[in-house]
Amino acid sequence: DAGVTQSPTHLIKTRGQQVTLRCSPKSGHDTVSWYQQALGQGPQFIFQYYEEEERQRGNFPDRFSGHQFPNYSSELNVNALLLGDSALYLCASSTSTTNNYGYTFGSGTRLTVV
Amino acid sequence: GDSVTQMEGPVTLSEEAFLTINCTYTATGYPSLFWYVQYPGEGLQLLLKATKADDKGSNKGFEATYRKETTSFHLEKGSVQVSDSAVYFCALSSTGFQKLVFGTGTRLLVSP
Repeated sequence: DAGVTQSPTHLIKTRGQQVTLRCSPKSGHDTVSWYQQALGQGPQFIFQYYEEEERQRGNFPDRFSGHQFPNYSSELNVNALLLGDSALYLCASSTSTTNNYGYTFGSGTRLTVV
Repeated sequence: GDSVTQMEGPVTLSEEAFLTINCTYTATGYPSLFWYVQYPGEGLQLLLKATKADDKGSNKGFEATYRKETTSFHLEKGSVQVSDSAVYFCALSSTGFQKLVFGTGTRLLVSP
């Protein structure tokens, strides 16, 4: 049973560029959340997608946007990259049909902005 | 807003020592509480959870009890191993949309 798959694993971008990160949720999961983990910090919630809509959003600027597809996979887009966007971006999937709070995290995408 | 406070690390122990990592929280309502572990270069793995007051979560020798009166969820293990070396995150999820709020993490280093 495949877990959460994220791609790419690493990438380097230049300030001002745009980036798209991808996530495939665990089989049977329909909800995808994105987190940003700066070096030495805990993950910070960016937003959550369910039924192809953004259901909840953390304290991140509009430069951060996302999308969920009918197959429940998701993309995170970041525009006008800043040096401070350098971080590990984690995708977590879960199911809305139980009260189990059984999140499964991917291994993350390491984004470096230079 | 909701928040989680963890003891700062690193916590350095010898193999077979007793481990405690303190975690306290602030939240409205009755959150679920979690401990996640992150090994170098990897994502987060759920270690244990508790969804209501006085529940004890346990897994792989680790335990934590949901203490509503002290708003705490301290992680304990009776005898640590070198393989337990990792970063441990305490987190909460308030009722509703399952958003997780994490602490800053505590690095555990276990030496032989």
